[in-house]
Amino acid sequence: DARVTQTPRHKVTEMGQEVTMRCQPILGHNTVFWYRQTMMQGLELLAYFRNRAPLDDSGMPKDRFSAEMPDATLATLKIQPSEPRDSAVYFCASGLEQGVDGYTFGSGTRLTVV
Amino acid sequence: GESVGLHLPTLSVQEGDNSIINCAYSNSASDYFIWYKQESGKGPQFIIDIRSNMDKRQGQRVTVLLNKTVKHLSLQIAATQPGDSAVYFCADTDVNAGGTSYGKLTFGQGTILTVHP
Repeated sequence: DARVTQTPRHKVTEMGQEVTMRCQPILGHNTVFWYRQTMMQGLELLAYFRNRAPLDDSGMPKDRFSAEMPDATLATLKIQPSEPRDSAVYFCASGLEQGVDGYTFGSGTRLTVV
Repeated sequence: GESVGLHLPTLSVQEGDNSIINCAYSNSASDYFIWYKQESGKGPQFIIDIRSNMDKRQGQRVTVLLNKTVKHLSLQIAATQPGDSAVYFCADTDVNAGGTSYGKLTFGQGTILTVHP
């Protein structure tokens, strides 16, 4: 089965450090989402791309977060500087803009900022 | 979905029973709806979807019902099994004017389903 690959699976870092999370969407999918999941807020959309162009990043704290798609096979989410409140599971999902069979999620990156 | 986090509703059933999980959404322009299952330590997994031009869709052991009048979605699981224990999320999105391109997914808060053997 085709799948969305996220790396790393787990990351523990100290406050103030830069964190980069990576996502390889399913080949051929032109829509990529970044979500953050916490117990308090549930699944929150941070940003999403279509054909590598950012369509909506209103859910992302702009002063410290940035999301990019350097090419069609890689999406990155960067936090600089990281803070303890950024601790969460970050999910990437990809799909087709026509919404065929929904969107496929990766296994997530569990980030802990101490 | 309405993300109002987070005191998740729970549903506890016996193995073999049918389960019904409900979801309310807020965007009257929503056109495409998806149910996801999330097991501990994993990402959400697609179960079934439905478009706004339908009110019912069936899959293997699952049925999704859509009531656009009251903005309500439900997931029915037949003969629930212990492996169905997970958190279930509904998600919705709208579509562009041409009906060809879906937007961002908005998730509901989720429902915890526990199936007892």
